[in-house]
Amino acid sequence: DAKTTQPPSMDCAEGRAANLPCNHSTISGNEYVYWYRQIHSQGPQYIIHGLKNNETNEMASLIITEDRKSSTLILPHATLRDTAVYYCIVRTPSNAGNMLTFGGGTRLMVKP
Amino acid sequence: DGGITQSPKYLFRKEGQNVTLSCEQNLNHDAMYWYRQDPGQGLRLIYYSQIVNDFQKGDIAEGYSVSREKKESFPLTVTSAQKNPTAFYLCASSSNLRADTQYFGPGTRLTVL
Repeated sequence: DAKTTQPPSMDCAEGRAANLPCNHSTISGNEYVYWYRQIHSQGPQYIIHGLKNNETNEMASLIITEDRKSSTLILPHATLRDTAVYYCIVRTPSNAGNMLTFGGGTRLMVKP
Repeated sequence: DGGITQSPKYLFRKEGQNVTLSCEQNLNHDAMYWYRQDPGQGLRLIYYSQIVNDFQKGDIAEGYSVSREKKESFPLTVTSAQKNPTAFYLCASSSNLRADTQYFGPGTRLTVL
């Protein structure tokens, strides 16, 4: 699986958009970008994933650059409950033999 | 509601005792996983199972054991052989075809005194 690089921490004002970057310059053609988040003392939660097109769901939007070497997760209107560690993971959507590899992630602090 | 349950939320045990952590899912998922998380760290895979009565070791299986007698259940036993058992334990499940999208339980925080 490709290695990812994320800033260790970010702040965001409540109600504003939170833009979380992820670099994955070694991504290969069949690897997808996934985002999970983990609120303190809870299990991780799947947010969104994509291959090369931008994706949007009820939680967030995922913007992937044309060369696929980086991506940005966008929380359009951050709330205090969005305070969490956000993990960017790059891997192939394969069978259960491959685990999810969670790196350090970005600790997002949403402030009032 | 469909989901994964883990119990208890907090567990305390004396050193040298075996302890079993419960994980149940009603998502009809074939695959289930156990991860360990230490403070400020990412997740590390302990064991996973793709089908009933079968399971595979992950990266840190030593000192742990599992069973998969039912599709819905995947209990983890932390044995006395595990050198540093105090940690946050997370159970997850997925379909076998979409292991990239895993659903996690709330976790059990085990403290060995």
